[in-house]
Amino acid sequence: ETGVTQSPTHLIKTRGQQVTLRCSSQSGHNTVSWYQQALGQGPQFIFQYYREEENGRGNFPPRFSGLQFPNYSSELNVNALELDDSALYLCASSQDGTGRLDTQYFGPGTRLTVL
Amino acid sequence: GESVGLHLPTLSVQEGDNSIINCAYSNSASDYFIWYKQESGKGPQFIIDIRSNMDKRQGQRVTVLLNKTVKHLSLQIAATQPGDSAVYFCALIGYSGAGSYQLTFGKGTKLSVIP
Repeated sequence: ETGVTQSPTHLIKTRGQQVTLRCSSQSGHNTVSWYQQALGQGPQFIFQYYREEENGRGNFPPRFSGLQFPNYSSELNVNALELDDSALYLCASSQDGTGRLDTQYFGPGTRLTVL
Repeated sequence: GESVGLHLPTLSVQEGDNSIINCAYSNSASDYFIWYKQESGKGPQFIIDIRSNMDKRQGQRVTVLLNKTVKHLSLQIAATQPGDSAVYFCALIGYSGAGSYQLTFGKGTKLSVIP
């Protein structure tokens, strides 16, 4: 186990609603990255938080937003949910987001279903 | 930008045999490559990594080979066991702006071990 935890495990929402997913990073890690994994695909980078600031973003619209707290835990918020947002959402923590050789360790994910 | 691909989407191997999973990447300045294993319902689990100044690295029952000339990465699993059944992803580190680095994943290869 990596020590990265996520909640909730599963979530069902309807189109147009908003959702908040949570992640606790591994002890000693100050960086959290979020990924979306559609069924049968590899994870896609959403964004990264380093010391409470967004520190890099993938090709996702502004309705995907996040926060990082002083204890380095993080939230992913998605507004105006669409059917295509149904996916496994993964967070990964690492020691130092500014390091290009920084290994990321993943949590178990939150399975979001949008109806 | 980077893209990561896999030669085969599925691989079936007899228990006890060796497995080889391949991965190709496009022109990139990435200097760090990682293999992850993802079991059903779980997040990706770090297996082994390799830096671009190396062409081979060994772990417990696993070996990663990097050929920078042809931009090819492979994961070899010795004496494959039923517990090795999973989806395997190669990933590379790419610069995502604002001083951060993101993982870019391939689509994955599903390894099935036949008892």
